[in-house]
Amino acid sequence: DADVTQTPRNRITKTGKRIMLECSQTKGHDRMYWYRQDPGLGLQLIYYSFDVKDINKGEISDGYSVSRQAQAKFSLSLESAIPNQTALYFCATADPGAGGVNEQFFGPGTRLTVL
Amino acid sequence: GQNIDQPTEMTATEGAIVQINCTYQTSGFNGLFWYQQHAGEAPTFLSYNVLDGLEEKGRFSSFLSRSKGYSYLLLKELQMKDSASYLCAVDNTGTASKLTFGTGTRLQVTL
Repeated sequence: DADVTQTPRNRITKTGKRIMLECSQTKGHDRMYWYRQDPGLGLQLIYYSFDVKDINKGEISDGYSVSRQAQAKFSLSLESAIPNQTALYFCATADPGAGGVNEQFFGPGTRLTVL
Repeated sequence: GQNIDQPTEMTATEGAIVQINCTYQTSGFNGLFWYQQHAGEAPTFLSYNVLDGLEEKGRFSSFLSRSKGYSYLLLKELQMKDSASYLCAVDNTGTASKLTFGTGTRLQVTL
């Protein structure tokens, strides 16, 4: 079973619709992230959370909101989708634990198309 | 601001060695990561450098020079399955695990 899962994997929606992307993890990590990836661009950080009560904006948070419902769940919402939010969205987790490399583990991604 | 530069594309032959460079200018430094990403898939962790020098892991090695703001990923004995994008990312926060990514280098391995 995958450690970091995302639903849905693909979504097509229309301009102005509200949409939620969900991320769940079984790794027991406190830190969770949402990124978007556009062709020719790097991964851009949207929001991140270091624990259930902690939510932080990333580089490109405008037009997005998040909810950390539990340690294992971190959801990303687009309140009113627009075409330039068409992208591949990744959730990631990390555990800063003592002495570790501290790499991020990525989910399989959600391909979102806004018409 | 943060700036991470990598070549956009590279091509190499199966069995050869390829070096992918990454230069960075960031307001802080707490380590540099390399990730591999096949088209349409999730990035997967390859290597991490926080001190100057070379880290070797099988066919892959990564080098860091903090004074020069420079890293490279070295892939030996290239295989067709190594065709992918390679992402350089810097942890510049000091709190660990908040990364700034470069745009990635798309490597094509040919026969």
